[in-house]
Amino acid sequence: QVQLMQAGPEVKKPGSSVKVSCRASGGTFRSNALSWVRQAPGQGLEWMGGIIPIFGAPNYAQRFQGRLTITADESTATAYMELNGLRSDDTAIYYCASENTVVPGAREGFGSWGPGTLVTVSS
Amino acid sequence: QTVVTQEPSFSVSPGGTVILTCGLTSGSVSGSYHPSWYQQTPGQAPRTLVYNTYDRPSGVPARFSGSMLGSKAALTITGAEADDEGDYYCALYMGNGVWAFGGGTKLAVL
Repeated sequence: QVQLMQAGPEVKKPGSSVKVSCRASGGTFRSNALSWVRQAPGQGLEWMGGIIPIFGAPNYAQRFQGRLTITADESTATAYMELNGLRSDDTAIYYCASENTVVPGAREGFGSWGPGTLVTVSS
Repeated sequence: QTVVTQEPSFSVSPGGTVILTCGLTSGSVSGSYHPSWYQQTPGQAPRTLVYNTYDRPSGVPARFSGSMLGSKAALTITGAEADDEGDYYCALYMGNGVWAFGGGTKLAVL
């Protein structure tokens, strides 16, 4: 079973950037798709983007294109989500979630979730 | 733009059965969308109940089951318990590496 560990909370100023990490253990990091999902206070889940490390190229939800960068470091089994141009409405819990497929590139839904990282954007 | 739809709220009696659905504003959900279902209680990360339409992770009780119901994906909860109260989200694979979540269903057990 894949376990995902995320860093602690962040407080950022409007206009700045945040980089959140997600370290995986217990699975095959390079072949499992890893996504970033956020949840604003009192709101639902929102898929932001994802990456399959073995393939390299990330995919992003249209509304985050140009502002979001997702990367993966196979040597440390760690994925990163960097969001630029932060606004107050980016205040949210940011979760990483893994699809624990055996076949690289196969899709099945998110079998494992990280605990979430609270990012607060405030002046 | 196609949006994933879910019932905003539902209530079920203890011991009862409830079926939550997951659809699209345009078109039908099929297995190629790899529908999955997640439960979230206040202050907690989502918990996976069903993935790939029907599959349950180890540790998820059999009273949670996924299926296709007409043009939608469905999550059936049989023998509802008080602990089943919470928010339920479905996710669909839209292709080209992109996923989309429904708006969530708030389930009350009363």
